Amino acid sequence: DIQMTQSPSTLSASVGDRVTITCRASQSISSWLAWYQQKPGKAPKLLIYKASTLESGVPSRFSGSGSGTEFTLTISSLQPDDFATYYCQQYNSYLYAFGQGTKLEIK
Amino acid sequence: QVHLVESGGGVVQPGRSLRLSCAASGVTPSRDAMNWVRQAPGKGLEWLAVISYDGSLRYYADSVKGRFTISRDNSQNTLYLQMNSLSPEDSAVYYCARDYGWTGYFNYWGQGTLVTVSS
Repeated sequence: DIQMTQSPSTLSASVGDRVTITCRASQSISSWLAWYQQKPGKAPKLLIYKASTLESGVPSRFSGSGSGTEFTLTISSLQPDDFATYYCQQYNSYLYAFGQGTKLEIK
Repeated sequence: QVHLVESGGGVVQPGRSLRLSCAASGVTPSRDAMNWVRQAPGKGLEWLAVISYDGSLRYYADSVKGRFTISRDNSQNTLYLQMNSLSPEDSAVYYCARDYGWTGYFNYWGQGTLVTVSS
């Protein structure tokens, strides 16, 4: 099975900062990677699919890149609404898997 | 507008069974694969199972294979998760999630239903 590892687990940042979250796959998943945002008590929300395609309605300050085994989610200028937990998910095989999550906190 | 509503959660004793439902509106069953994903308290997301639009294909995470069964009734626009031999480690919020066109990612999620396995 494919394992997904995110880093860091927790990230402290300020409004206006540029932040990057990394997701690594245990084997190549081509570009079959999605990113989600989850706020406490809420369901996850799809941000990006196919590694770099922005879901409709998602602000352009979010971007994704990577292929193979290493991927990044970048938020170009943090807004107050962006403080949340972020998950990557591989869908290269039918045994989908999420990363363990990265909690983005206010510094 | 797609709307998913899970139900059937609650408190159940270890070793017992429970069936979750997910009622869908605004979906296109002929194109949608459907999934179950869970989240234990304070933990991350865990994908559990996917079912094809017609129910002919199903895949499960190793953690639930043989104990959980995903099914769907397209005439009722409802997804199910039959959970047997429950243990405290199965305590979590259970989400259903829609995958339009079986792309592999989930563009709509329900609000979740809480399952607590405890004696």
